[in-house]
Amino acid sequence: KQEVTQIPAALSVPEGENLVLNCSFTDSAIYNLQWFRQDPGKGLTSLLLIQSSQREQTSGRLNASLDKSSGRSTLYIAASQPGDSATYLCACLGATNKLIFGTGTLLAVQP
Amino acid sequence: EAQVTQNPRYLITVTGKKLTVTCSQNMNHEYMSWYRQDPGLGLRQIYYSMNVEVTDKGDVPEGYKVSRKEKRNFPLILESPSPNQTSLYFCASSPKGYYRDYHRNTEAFFGQGTRLTVV
Repeated sequence: KQEVTQIPAALSVPEGENLVLNCSFTDSAIYNLQWFRQDPGKGLTSLLLIQSSQREQTSGRLNASLDKSSGRSTLYIAASQPGDSATYLCACLGATNKLIFGTGTLLAVQP
Repeated sequence: EAQVTQNPRYLITVTGKKLTVTCSQNMNHEYMSWYRQDPGLGLRQIYYSMNVEVTDKGDVPEGYKVSRKEKRNFPLILESPSPNQTSLYFCASSPKGYYRDYHRNTEAFFGQGTRLTVV
Protein backbone atom coordinates (compact mmCIF):
# COMPACT_ATOMS: atom_id res chain seq x y z
CA LYS A 1 0.00 0.00 0.00
CA GLN A 2 1.37 3.36 -1.08
CA GLU A 3 2.19 5.78 1.71
CA VAL A 4 3.24 9.35 1.07
CA THR A 5 5.07 11.43 3.65
CA GLN A 6 5.94 15.12 3.60
CA ILE A 7 8.61 16.67 5.74
CA PRO A 8 8.60 19.14 7.34
CA ALA A 9 4.97 19.51 8.38
CA ALA A 10 5.48 23.25 8.75
CA LEU A 11 8.15 25.69 7.65
CA SER A 12 8.68 29.39 8.22
CA VAL A 13 11.26 31.32 6.21
CA PRO A 14 12.12 34.98 5.59
CA GLU A 15 11.23 36.49 2.27
CA GLY A 16 13.80 35.95 -0.47
CA GLU A 17 15.09 32.64 0.84
CA ASN A 18 15.34 29.58 -1.37
CA LEU A 19 13.66 26.53 0.10
CA VAL A 20 13.06 22.82 -0.47
CA LEU A 21 9.99 20.79 0.39
CA ASN A 22 10.29 17.04 0.59
CA CYS A 23 7.97 14.23 -0.41
CA SER A 24 8.66 10.53 0.13
CA PHE A 25 6.68 7.55 -1.15
CA THR A 26 6.98 3.87 -0.34
CA ASP A 27 6.00 2.28 -3.66
CA SER A 28 8.19 3.32 -6.58
CA ALA A 29 5.72 1.94 -9.16
CA ILE A 30 4.06 5.28 -9.78
CA TYR A 31 2.77 6.75 -13.03
CA ASN A 32 3.35 10.33 -12.03
CA LEU A 33 3.74 12.66 -9.09
CA GLN A 34 1.93 15.96 -8.79
CA TRP A 35 2.56 18.94 -6.55
CA PHE A 36 -0.38 21.07 -5.44
CA ARG A 37 -0.84 24.27 -3.54
CA GLN A 38 -3.76 24.74 -1.15
CA ASP A 39 -4.78 28.13 0.17
CA PRO A 40 -7.13 28.48 3.16
CA GLY A 41 -10.74 28.26 2.08
CA LYS A 42 -9.76 27.46 -1.47
CA GLY A 43 -9.27 24.41 -3.57
CA LEU A 44 -6.13 22.69 -4.72
CA THR A 45 -4.13 24.28 -7.49
CA SER A 46 -1.86 22.07 -9.54
CA LEU A 47 1.70 23.38 -9.65
CA LEU A 48 3.74 20.74 -11.42
CA LEU A 49 3.30 17.20 -12.69
CA ILE A 50 6.27 14.90 -13.21
CA GLN A 51 5.70 11.79 -15.27
CA SER A 52 7.41 8.59 -14.17
CA SER A 53 9.89 8.82 -17.04
CA GLN A 54 10.95 12.35 -16.14
CA ARG A 55 13.49 13.59 -13.61
CA GLU A 56 12.28 17.14 -13.13
CA GLN A 57 9.85 19.83 -14.17
CA THR A 58 10.15 23.60 -13.92
CA SER A 59 7.59 26.38 -13.82
CA GLY A 60 8.79 29.87 -13.06
CA ARG A 61 10.42 29.90 -9.62
CA LEU A 62 9.36 26.31 -8.96
CA ASN A 63 11.38 23.21 -9.75
CA ALA A 64 10.24 19.71 -8.89
CA SER A 65 12.46 16.65 -9.08
CA LEU A 66 11.63 12.97 -9.00
CA ASP A 67 13.81 10.03 -8.00
CA LYS A 68 11.66 6.93 -8.29
CA SER A 69 14.36 4.53 -7.19
CA SER A 70 14.73 6.25 -3.83
CA GLY A 71 11.04 7.12 -3.53
CA ARG A 72 11.60 10.84 -3.25
CA SER A 73 10.50 14.10 -4.80
CA THR A 74 11.49 17.64 -3.91
CA LEU A 75 9.87 20.95 -4.66
CA TYR A 76 12.36 23.79 -4.84
CA ILE A 77 11.04 27.33 -4.50
CA ALA A 78 13.47 30.07 -5.45
CA ALA A 79 13.41 33.58 -3.99
CA SER A 80 10.37 32.95 -1.82
CA GLN A 81 7.67 35.63 -1.49
CA PRO A 82 4.91 36.17 1.07
CA GLY A 83 2.42 35.17 -1.62
CA ASP A 84 3.97 31.70 -1.61
CA SER A 85 2.53 31.11 1.86
CA ALA A 86 0.19 28.12 1.60
CA THR A 87 0.03 24.39 2.20
CA TYR A 88 1.91 22.34 -0.36
CA LEU A 89 0.76 18.82 -1.11
CA CYS A 90 2.37 16.09 -3.15
CA ALA A 91 0.38 13.19 -4.59
CA CYS A 92 1.39 9.99 -6.33
CA LEU A 93 -0.62 8.29 -9.03
CA GLY A 94 -0.20 4.53 -9.29
CA ALA A 95 -1.90 1.38 -10.46
CA THR A 96 -4.81 1.90 -8.07
CA ASN A 97 -5.98 4.74 -10.34
CA LYS A 98 -6.19 7.26 -7.57
CA LEU A 99 -3.98 9.99 -6.23
CA ILE A 100 -2.39 9.19 -2.87
CA PHE A 101 -1.68 12.40 -1.02
CA GLY A 102 0.82 13.37 1.60
CA THR A 103 -0.44 15.39 4.58
CA GLY A 104 1.25 18.52 3.33
CA THR A 105 3.79 21.14 4.36
CA LEU A 106 2.45 24.42 5.70
CA LEU A 107 4.74 27.18 4.42
CA ALA A 108 4.86 30.68 5.87
CA VAL A 109 7.05 33.27 4.16
CA GLN A 110 7.68 36.22 6.45
CA PRO A 111 7.96 39.71 4.89
CA GLU B 1 -11.97 29.02 -18.40
CA ALA B 2 -11.23 25.39 -17.58
CA GLN B 3 -12.61 24.61 -14.16
CA VAL B 4 -14.25 22.21 -11.77
CA THR B 5 -17.22 23.74 -9.99
CA GLN B 6 -18.66 22.49 -6.73
CA ASN B 7 -21.79 23.63 -4.97
CA PRO B 8 -22.45 24.57 -2.30
CA ARG B 9 -19.18 25.91 -0.89
CA TYR B 10 -20.43 25.73 2.67
CA LEU B 11 -23.21 23.62 4.14
CA ILE B 12 -24.47 23.05 7.66
CA THR B 13 -27.05 20.31 8.02
CA VAL B 14 -28.61 18.03 10.62
CA THR B 15 -28.05 14.34 11.10
CA GLY B 16 -30.14 12.22 8.75
CA LYS B 17 -31.18 14.92 6.30
CA LYS B 18 -30.27 13.82 2.78
CA LEU B 19 -28.04 16.17 0.83
CA THR B 20 -26.30 16.38 -2.51
CA VAL B 21 -23.08 18.17 -3.37
CA THR B 22 -22.84 18.91 -7.05
CA CYS B 23 -19.70 18.82 -9.18
CA SER B 24 -19.37 19.91 -12.77
CA GLN B 25 -16.37 20.16 -15.09
CA ASN B 26 -16.11 21.90 -18.45
CA MET B 27 -12.99 20.16 -19.77
CA ASN B 28 -14.63 17.03 -21.24
CA HIS B 29 -12.66 14.90 -18.78
CA GLU B 30 -13.48 11.22 -18.51
CA TYR B 31 -12.17 10.64 -15.00
CA MET B 32 -13.82 12.26 -11.99
CA SER B 33 -13.50 11.59 -8.29
CA TRP B 34 -14.44 12.78 -4.82
CA TYR B 35 -12.07 13.25 -1.88
CA ARG B 36 -12.53 14.26 1.69
CA GLN B 37 -9.88 16.09 3.66
CA ASP B 38 -9.56 15.74 7.42
CA PRO B 39 -6.89 17.09 9.78
CA GLY B 40 -4.08 14.61 10.25
CA LEU B 41 -5.51 12.23 7.65
CA GLY B 42 -4.96 14.23 4.49
CA LEU B 43 -7.06 13.69 1.40
CA ARG B 44 -8.74 10.34 0.93
CA GLN B 45 -10.68 9.19 -2.08
CA ILE B 46 -14.38 8.45 -1.60
CA TYR B 47 -15.56 7.39 -5.06
CA TYR B 48 -14.34 7.70 -8.60
CA SER B 49 -15.74 7.39 -12.09
CA MET B 50 -13.81 6.32 -15.17
CA ASN B 51 -16.58 7.42 -17.53
CA VAL B 52 -20.34 7.86 -17.86
CA GLU B 53 -22.22 5.16 -15.93
CA VAL B 54 -18.92 3.72 -14.59
CA THR B 55 -18.29 4.34 -10.89
CA ASP B 56 -16.33 2.55 -8.19
CA LYS B 57 -15.47 2.84 -4.52
CA GLY B 58 -12.41 4.58 -3.26
CA ASP B 59 -10.88 4.23 0.19
CA VAL B 60 -13.71 5.63 2.30
CA PRO B 61 -17.02 5.05 0.46
CA GLU B 62 -19.23 4.21 3.46
CA GLY B 63 -22.18 6.58 3.81
CA TYR B 64 -21.82 8.05 0.32
CA LYS B 65 -23.33 7.51 -3.09
CA VAL B 66 -22.44 8.89 -6.50
CA SER B 67 -23.84 8.85 -10.00
CA ARG B 68 -22.40 9.66 -13.43
CA LYS B 69 -25.25 10.11 -15.87
CA GLU B 70 -23.47 12.79 -17.87
CA LYS B 71 -19.80 13.25 -18.57
CA ARG B 72 -19.61 16.70 -17.03
CA ASN B 73 -21.45 16.03 -13.73
CA PHE B 74 -20.55 13.85 -10.77
CA PRO B 75 -22.74 14.54 -7.74
CA LEU B 76 -21.95 13.24 -4.26
CA ILE B 77 -24.97 12.08 -2.28
CA LEU B 78 -25.19 11.64 1.47
CA GLU B 79 -28.41 9.72 2.08
CA SER B 80 -28.31 10.02 5.87
CA PRO B 81 -25.47 12.29 6.95
CA SER B 82 -23.81 11.74 10.31
CA PRO B 83 -21.45 13.97 12.32
CA ASN B 84 -18.42 11.87 11.29
CA GLN B 85 -19.01 13.06 7.74
CA THR B 86 -18.18 16.60 8.77
CA SER B 87 -15.26 17.37 6.49
CA LEU B 88 -13.90 19.36 3.58
CA TYR B 89 -14.87 17.72 0.29
CA PHE B 90 -13.17 18.08 -3.07
CA CYS B 91 -14.22 17.02 -6.51
CA ALA B 92 -11.52 16.38 -9.10
CA SER B 93 -11.32 15.58 -12.78
CA SER B 94 -8.59 14.57 -15.19
CA PRO B 95 -8.35 13.93 -18.94
CA LYS B 96 -8.28 10.15 -19.14
CA GLY B 97 -8.70 6.98 -17.20
CA TYR B 98 -5.28 6.83 -15.66
CA TYR B 99 -4.37 3.24 -16.29
CA ARG B 100 -4.79 3.59 -20.03
CA ASP B 101 -2.85 6.79 -20.38
CA TYR B 102 -0.38 6.78 -17.58
CA HIS B 103 2.40 7.92 -19.86
CA ARG B 104 0.57 11.10 -20.77
CA ASN B 105 -0.05 14.25 -18.85
CA THR B 106 -2.98 13.36 -16.63
CA GLU B 107 -2.98 16.46 -14.51
CA ALA B 108 -5.82 16.48 -12.02
CA PHE B 109 -7.97 19.58 -11.58
CA PHE B 110 -9.76 20.21 -8.31
CA GLY B 111 -12.83 22.17 -7.35
CA GLN B 112 -12.85 24.87 -4.69
CA GLY B 113 -14.09 22.53 -1.99
CA THR B 114 -17.27 22.14 0.03
CA ARG B 115 -17.05 22.52 3.77
CA LEU B 116 -19.76 20.32 5.26
CA THR B 117 -20.80 20.38 8.90
CA VAL B 118 -23.27 17.79 10.18
CA VAL B 119 -24.76 18.54 13.61
